[in-house]
Amino acid sequence: KAGVTQTPRYLIKTRGQQVTLSCSPISGHRSVSWYQQTPGQGLQFLFEYFSETQRNKGNFPGRFSGRQFSNSRSEMNVSTLELGDSALYLCASSLGDRGLYEQYFGPGTRLTVT
Amino acid sequence: GDSVTQMEGPVTLSEEACLTINCTYTATGYPSLFWYVQYPGEGLQLLLKATKADDKGSNKGFEATYRKETTSFHLEKGSVQVSDSAVYFCALSGSGGYQKVTFGTGTKLQVIP
Repeated sequence: KAGVTQTPRYLIKTRGQQVTLSCSPISGHRSVSWYQQTPGQGLQFLFEYFSETQRNKGNFPGRFSGRQFSNSRSEMNVSTLELGDSALYLCASSLGDRGLYEQYFGPGTRLTVT
Repeated sequence: GDSVTQMEGPVTLSEEACLTINCTYTATGYPSLFWYVQYPGEGLQLLLKATKADDKGSNKGFEATYRKETTSFHLEKGSVQVSDSAVYFCALSGSGGYQKVTFGTGTKLQVIP
């Protein structure tokens, strides 16, 4: 079974631009979660989508948004990029049913904002 | 809210030494507990899990026991190898509904030959 895939793997953007990251979950997984990982803040939860609905949300500004499609693929968007948005963005998928939260992570997208 | 506390790193050990990485948690109800490992340049991989009290998760020589009385889930390995060098994350998923996964800050392990 194919794992979680994320595209692109690396991205360089300029401050003020916007960016869209993509995540394809493991086949059959309906939950997709997004995390931001930085050396200073560690792993921080952004949001989780389940069956096209945002089910949980972390403490990030509204510049960070996401969506999930009917095939469970997910995108996250960051508008008006700031230097502090430079990070590794990780996507994780899971079955998402009650009690089944074993998450499978993709390799991440490394975003650099200059 | 839920929280996970794990020991600060980095932890440096010689090959074949014993490893313990401490993890304690705060959660209501009966969470599931996990250890994830992140190798350089990669995403996180599930290492082991335990879903109820006194369960022992094990994988690749690593073990952790779900201790509800001490709210702990310490990661142990009897003999580490250089290939175990990575960052280890303790995590929990809350019970009682659709809960997000809460991660600890990670502990970097470096094993030297």
